[in-house]
Amino acid sequence: AQKVTQAQTEISVVEKEDVTLDCVYETRDTTYYLFWYKQPPSGELVFLIRRNSFDEQNEISGRYSWNFQKSTSSFNFTITASQVVDSAVYFCALQETSGSRLTFGEGTQLTVNP
Amino acid sequence: DADVTQTPRNRITKTGKRIMLECSQTKGHDRMYWYRQDPGLGLRLIYYSFDVKDINKGEISDGYSVSRQAQAKFSLSLESAIPNQTALYFCATSDFPADMEEDTQYFGPGTRLTVL
Repeated sequence: AQKVTQAQTEISVVEKEDVTLDCVYETRDTTYYLFWYKQPPSGELVFLIRRNSFDEQNEISGRYSWNFQKSTSSFNFTITASQVVDSAVYFCALQETSGSRLTFGEGTQLTVNP
Repeated sequence: DADVTQTPRNRITKTGKRIMLECSQTKGHDRMYWYRQDPGLGLRLIYYSFDVKDINKGEISDGYSVSRQAQAKFSLSLESAIPNQTALYFCATSDFPADMEEDTQYFGPGTRLTVL
């Protein structure tokens, strides 16, 4: 069965610090997809990124970057030069090719203090 | 206008009452989902539907039912609400993918339900 673990329940940093959110997953599928979603204090879920299991290239989008390593079953998310507006709960999720359902991790609450 | 809307956004009800949460989407997606979010547990799938005639149970369907009235509408019902159904409920949609590449789920704003 698939599983996603976000071991960091809460992280607190000071503005402009870099921060990495960890995500470890388990799956028996050879083809699968990994996601990150952001949930700001307003409550909605915002899609950030989707990666397929055949593409291990790191992705960078502005201050956001993602490091996918199949060897360690990890898909970590780094925010560079964090800002107060980055404060949110971040969810990592897994989607197997056997179905369209998403399996979510427990989420990491990130607080960026001024 | 939002692509995925949920009504109501907030609801307080009493134990034993029947409650319906509604989801509408203008994205033209075939697939729709209902999740619930509880603190420390992430989101868990309740039901999903791949088209109007297709309804499937998720991992926590007990105590819930759904109705897919049209491609754009997917309702979640609690026939007899109980306090442990207090949670944040999300509807999501995704397109029918040719090769899974476009099967990204987009979420509505959520409905906060409190059962007293």
